[in-house]
Amino acid sequence: QKEVEQDPGPLSVPEGAIVSLNCTYSNSAFQYFMWYRQYSRKGPELLMYTYSSGNKEDGRFTAQVDKSSKYISLFIRDSQPSDSATYLCAMRERYSTLTFGKGTMLLVSP
Amino acid sequence: DAGVTQSPTHLIKTRGQQVTLRCSPKSGHDTVSWYQQALGQGPQFIFQYYEEEERQRGNFPDRFSGHQFPNYSSELNVNALLLGDSALYLCASSLSAVDTIYFGEGSWLTVV
Repeated sequence: QKEVEQDPGPLSVPEGAIVSLNCTYSNSAFQYFMWYRQYSRKGPELLMYTYSSGNKEDGRFTAQVDKSSKYISLFIRDSQPSDSATYLCAMRERYSTLTFGKGTMLLVSP
Repeated sequence: DAGVTQSPTHLIKTRGQQVTLRCSPKSGHDTVSWYQQALGQGPQFIFQYYEEEERQRGNFPDRFSGHQFPNYSSELNVNALLLGDSALYLCASSLSAVDTIYFGEGSWLTVV
């Protein structure tokens, strides 16, 4: 079992839809949880950064962490074609490096 | 404020050759990490440098080596290139090991 599981998609939605992206993990020592957005052939761009369980909102983006279920989510409201990209979840222990999921490709059609 | 910068952006090498990739961290950052991202995969950790020393290393062979300079910039060297080394190589920087990690745009390496 991989440490971080993420459905690679692609996930296709119409413009304006609410998008839900998810990752599960097995390492209970993970404390920091991140979502990165990666456009084709570009480097990952940090979207959301959360510590421990709970919700964090930033504009159209909401990140949720449920440590008891080892499950994290990213919600995108009012999705736009410019949101079309690969979304990578990443997590780490306190003094460790990032462990990534494989990424979910999102396609938002006009 | 410049972010993480990497060079070159693209390069093509032949099997058996050696390659050096370069990275300048985001201003104020002292910790540099390197990741390899194969097509359709998430980035995989190679190693991390702090105070010019390798602090952590992922599951990569000794053909992968690195260096950090006093100005915190870093190099990734790969010897005896294999076709399987073809990937996007990402540099990431942070202020210490517990801070937010930012990535550069990457260097695309194709081995033929």
